[in-house]
Amino acid sequence: GAGVSQSPSNKVTEKGKDVELRCDPISGHTALYWYRQSLGQGLEFLIYFQGNSAPDKSGLPSDRFSAERTGGSVSTLTIQRTQQEDSAVYLCASSLQAGGREQYFGPGTRLTVT
Amino acid sequence: GNSVTQMEGPVTLSEEAFLTINCTYTATGYPSLFWYVQYPGEGLQLLLKATKADDKGSNKGFEATYRKETTSFHLEKGSVQVSDSAVYFCALKAQGGSEKLVFGKGTKLTVNP
Repeated sequence: GAGVSQSPSNKVTEKGKDVELRCDPISGHTALYWYRQSLGQGLEFLIYFQGNSAPDKSGLPSDRFSAERTGGSVSTLTIQRTQQEDSAVYLCASSLQAGGREQYFGPGTRLTVT
Repeated sequence: GNSVTQMEGPVTLSEEAFLTINCTYTATGYPSLFWYVQYPGEGLQLLLKATKADDKGSNKGFEATYRKETTSFHLEKGSVQVSDSAVYFCALKAQGGSEKLVFGKGTKLTVNP
């Protein structure tokens, strides 16, 4: 079956612009996660959704970052007024439900802020 | 807070060599422990996991044993292949509470023929 998909695969943007990153989880997966992978910081958790609610937003690095999930499916991560330090690979993962189940990762969106 | 420490890379081995990648963790209680692998140009894949003390996770010839007494989850493989070249990440999910995975920094493995 289809895995987690993310779009775009690559995004180059100018400093100060807003960007939207999209994640389509595996059908039927109720839990969705965003992580960021950068050279300096490794893999960092950003936010977790259960259904359309986000019980854990503790990893969002600043108020320029926000995310939403609609219909218990697609999620969008928005970064406003991008900075160079936002350059990273943004990974989305989903799992059948919360509680230690395997998280299936998408291929990521590589964001470059120039 | 919870954290994972894994050995710094890169690690370079010859084909058929023995592999160990060390991983230790800091967490209260009994976290679930995972090894993920990222092959060149691909996304993260779960390699193996263990959810309670003394459990052994295994997959594709790789093994790791959950050692509560040493808070460790070292990855081992008896005979590596060129196709095992990848970046390996150790991770934990805390018992109860947050659903997030906490990752180590990753260890890049290169296996030469």
